[in-house]
Amino acid sequence: DAGVTQSPTHLIKTRGQHVTLRCSPISGHKSVSWYQQVLGQGPQFIFQYYEKEERGRGNFPDRFSARQFPNYSSELNVNALLLGDSALYLCASSYSVWQFFGPGTRLTVL
Amino acid sequence: GQQVMQIPQYQHVQEGEDFTTYCNSSTTLSNIQWYKQRPGGHPVFLIQLVKSGEVKKQKRLTFQFGEAKKNSSLHITATQTTDVGTYFCAGPAGATNKLIFGTGTLLAVQP
Repeated sequence: DAGVTQSPTHLIKTRGQHVTLRCSPISGHKSVSWYQQVLGQGPQFIFQYYEKEERGRGNFPDRFSARQFPNYSSELNVNALLLGDSALYLCASSYSVWQFFGPGTRLTVL
Repeated sequence: GQQVMQIPQYQHVQEGEDFTTYCNSSTTLSNIQWYKQRPGGHPVFLIQLVKSGEVKKQKRLTFQFGEAKKNSSLHITATQTTDVGTYFCAGPAGATNKLIFGTGTLLAVQP
């Protein structure tokens, strides 16, 4: 079975631009969570979606938004990029409590 | 807010030595999860502990959940170079599925 997939793998943007990151969960998983991992730190929770509804939001500004589609895939959008948004963005899907992470999207903001 | 701290931040061992990382939460946890992240990789789920005082073993890895369900430890016996990576504990925030990750312990193993 395919694991969690994310696209793109790497992305370079400039300040002020916006970005859309995509995630496809493991087949059968209805919950998708997004995390931001800055180099040298643990993942920080951004959003959780279940059955297309937002179930949780972390302490991130409104520039961050997400949605989940009927096929349970998800998008994370970040507007007005800042240098500090440079990070590895991880998507995780889950069937029960523990989560399966995708390979991540490495975002660099110049 | 809820915080999860781990010590040490970094440990360098000779292959064959033992290794332990400790995880402490500012609040009681319904469960604790452990993940391993290889350099350049993504977190991979290792195990979940639910019961107070629970101990689980996976080959050379031993996981413990404290009696008060606020701390946990991961012990690796006779480390190997394949154990290299950052080990994170994580616990749910309150009654949600939102995971709060610990600060992580980076393990380096010298052959």
